[in-house]
Amino acid sequence: GENVEQHPSTLSVQEGDSAVIKCTYSDSASNYFPWYKQELGKGPQLIIDIRSNVGEKKDQRIAVTLNKTAKHFSLHITETQPEDSAVYFCAASIHGNNRLAFGKGNQVVVIP
Amino acid sequence: DAGITQSPRHKVTETGTPVTLRCHQTENHRYMYWYRQDPGHGLRLIHYSYGVKDTDKGEVSDGYSVSRSKTEDFLLTLESATSSQTSVYFCAISSGGEGNEQFFGPGTRLTVL
Repeated sequence: GENVEQHPSTLSVQEGDSAVIKCTYSDSASNYFPWYKQELGKGPQLIIDIRSNVGEKKDQRIAVTLNKTAKHFSLHITETQPEDSAVYFCAASIHGNNRLAFGKGNQVVVIP
Repeated sequence: DAGITQSPRHKVTETGTPVTLRCHQTENHRYMYWYRQDPGHGLRLIHYSYGVKDTDKGEVSDGYSVSRSKTEDFLLTLESATSSQTSVYFCAISSGGEGNEQFFGPGTRLTVL
């Protein structure tokens, strides 16, 4: 089955700097890769996603890149702000059913 | 939270008691999911539903059962709660088709003493 790994587990950045979180996946048949942001005490919120027919997608200060050959995708946050502090989860679609395999999450801390 | 509510939001119960958690959606989505979230494990799928009365097991289904009698409601039951089922439970919905987005509810924090 699909196995998704995230690195690093914790990331601290100075406010205004960029943050990058990388995920790897194992199943080359996966074709959908969402990123979720989870704030303390809340449910995960979908912030951006990418499908296998594109290599990059941007939405204001966040972007996701996909390298299908290497089987990894990354979340990029530019000009980080304190409200970007949260746990971020990546996921990959499981081929053949409407399910997602999740990574274990990254704690991002933006230092003012 | 994309028209998803979960009830109760918090519950404390004792070992051996039955517990039912409810997920309700107003989006008319076909797929519904129950996950549990524990430190160091991320989100793990318990059960999911692909239609009314159609359900299947996820990766951590032991000790849990589900039912879906209406499109809008998906119930998760712990027949006899154990301390290992202390966790935060999230419901999610999806309109269907491989690669479609999943949207999560606000979660239920369950403590089993």
